[in-house]
Amino acid sequence: DGGITQSPKYLFRKEGQNVTLSCEQNLNHDAMYWYRQDPGQGLRLIYYSQIVNDFQKGDIAEGYSVSREKKESFPLTVTSAQKNPTAFYLCASSPPGQGAKETQYFGPGTRLLVL
Amino acid sequence: KQEVTQIPAALSVPEGENLVLNCSFTDSAIYNLQWFRQDPGKGLTSLLLIQSSQREQTSGRLNASLDKSSGRSTLYIAASQPGDSATYLCAVPGLYNFNKFYFGSGTKLNVKP
Repeated sequence: DGGITQSPKYLFRKEGQNVTLSCEQNLNHDAMYWYRQDPGQGLRLIYYSQIVNDFQKGDIAEGYSVSREKKESFPLTVTSAQKNPTAFYLCASSPPGQGAKETQYFGPGTRLLVL
Repeated sequence: KQEVTQIPAALSVPEGENLVLNCSFTDSAIYNLQWFRQDPGKGLTSLLLIQSSQREQTSGRLNASLDKSSGRSTLYIAASQPGDSATYLCAVPGLYNFNKFYFGSGTKLNVKP
């Protein structure tokens, strides 16, 4: 089955620790995205990548970093500089072509909690 | 900057009712508008995508309409069922960077048996 997988489902971060959230897709999509969702709020874009070895900052990139070494993978690192990391993190991808005419496909999400 | 608003934030209806969810956006120059469903603790599932040239789009008991000039979209759910209980979000891509989607905060729907 084609789809997007995110791991882990729950992640706990200690003070001053960097943690990495995994996102993998086997849909052969070029573009991948990371969103943050806080309770009662919409999704906010952290980073996106349109092609391997290239990525762009979204609206709330501070305290986060990404890499795109493979088409299938787009890991997100939450660094110690992110002072309020507790949130639900969603990864998405979209097929090649005219992005505005395409929908985005979402993974199941990772919930990050601070100890 | 595009702003997307959804009202109400929560809605509770008895099973069988027809209902309308609202979405408004500040910049009417959009490529399309999408409606998503999100179950608790889960990712988003695309329901309907309306291109800017379309007035409405239908899928089963769902009908989405788009009025660009007024900056509004509605999602109509016919004969609601308890399985429709979820949060419904609308989103529009950015005009100059359509990799940037602007999401509303969602309407949390509860359909009571």
